[in-house]
Amino acid sequence: QITLKESGPTLVKPTQTLTLTCTFSGFSLNTSGVGVGWIRQPPGKALEWLALIYWDDDKRYSPSLESRLTITKDTSKNQVVLTMTNMDPVDTATYFCAHLDWNYTWNFFDFWGQGTLLTVSS
Amino acid sequence: DVVMTQSPLSLPVIVGQPASISCRSSHSLVNNDGNTYLSWFQQRPGQSPRRLIYRVSNRDSGVPDRFSGSGSGTDFTLKISRVEAEDVGVYYCMQGTHRWTFGQGTKVEIK
Repeated sequence: QITLKESGPTLVKPTQTLTLTCTFSGFSLNTSGVGVGWIRQPPGKALEWLALIYWDDDKRYSPSLESRLTITKDTSKNQVVLTMTNMDPVDTATYFCAHLDWNYTWNFFDFWGQGTLLTVSS
Repeated sequence: DVVMTQSPLSLPVIVGQPASISCRSSHSLVNNDGNTYLSWFQQRPGQSPRRLIYRVSNRDSGVPDRFSGSGSGTDFTLKISRVEAEDVGVYYCMQGTHRWTFGQGTKVEIK
């Protein structure tokens, strides 16, 4: 059974750096074809993909946010960490992580975490 | 960037009646591997998104067969054959061929 859970601060100040952790079970990032992505959702707004990391440490970033994002993995802890620099009130959102894998075709975001709500305010 | 445009953005429906949501992509979603990575997600109020459909027309496990997906290239549709009260929520299309992009969402409510 695949589960994911996001954790991190509920409040950060403008200009600070955000660190979010996705802790998962039921799969391994040592397995070929597996990955974890981050998606966010401002209150009342649409979903926005942010970043993704694959089992082989290949990484993808949203072009509009690439300069501010870093995604890493710790396979021994079954965790994926997302850092976002220079936080702004417009970054207030619920942040989700989600699973993907390859099984003859790509299988994107079939399992999601519950999300963690972050507020950016001074 | 690939832009995904959904319509309508709001969809009042009567229980038992059909519903249809359109999703158009600014670029063809046919991947180099021959697959079309277009998915549909349902987000009920206060919940995480749940994937309903993957690769245009494949239903996820546990998804009622009243949900169906169709389309090709740049034009895609999600249909609910007979809406039930539990279908209330926001529906998103997402493309995974050119990185990942979501549509603006379509809010389905009971009339």
